[in-house]
Amino acid sequence: SQTIHQWPATLVQPVGSPLSLECTVEGTSNPNLYWYRQAAGRGLQLLFYSVGIGQISSEVPQNLSASRPQDRQFILSSKKLLLSDSGFYLCAWSAWGGGNTEAFFGQGTRLTVV
Amino acid sequence: QQQAKQSPQSLIVQKGGISIINCAYENTAFDYFPWYQQFPGKGPALLIAIRPDVSEKKEGRFTISFNKSAKQFSLHIMDSQPGDSATYFCAASVLRPTMYSGGGADGLTFGKGTHLIIQP
Repeated sequence: SQTIHQWPATLVQPVGSPLSLECTVEGTSNPNLYWYRQAAGRGLQLLFYSVGIGQISSEVPQNLSASRPQDRQFILSSKKLLLSDSGFYLCAWSAWGGGNTEAFFGQGTRLTVV
Repeated sequence: QQQAKQSPQSLIVQKGGISIINCAYENTAFDYFPWYQQFPGKGPALLIAIRPDVSEKKEGRFTISFNKSAKQFSLHIMDSQPGDSATYFCAASVLRPTMYSGGGADGLTFGKGTHLIIQP
């Protein structure tokens, strides 16, 4: 069966520090991978998605970047965190090919920038 | 990014009552309409989904009603229980996303969520 792992679960970082959140998927090949941010009352904001190794699409220009060094690994990074980067970050995957497929979410990372 | 417009933002229902959450969309190309359920501190998970070739889909206590002409769909939770307390997201996607679809590789866009509280 497929599983998605996301870590860490919580993170407190000072302003200006770097960020690296990692997500891995098991039990499937060539998944579509996503990073979402969830702020209170603002729903799920799609940040990045990837359809393959090294292929990253950004939905919202901001202080973050994403990379996909391996088929089932997706990393969210920042060189210098801002207070506004605080939020609940979710990684998700879906099966490759077309739309109308279920998205499977990780457990999320609660990031607090202080 | 085209979104699904969800209402209400929050909802309080007594145990045993019916919870109703609504979602409206604009893009007539959408052809898949899922609802996701999210418990605090967890990621969302698919609850139930419908395609526009049917007007209603029922799974246990959860029902989606779909009105294609009005471009609206709703989630009904019958006999609501305290364990149903969660945030619910409507979503919509297209079968063949394009670079103009928004929503990533699957063209999946989410509503802003409804915080549902079932009072015992």
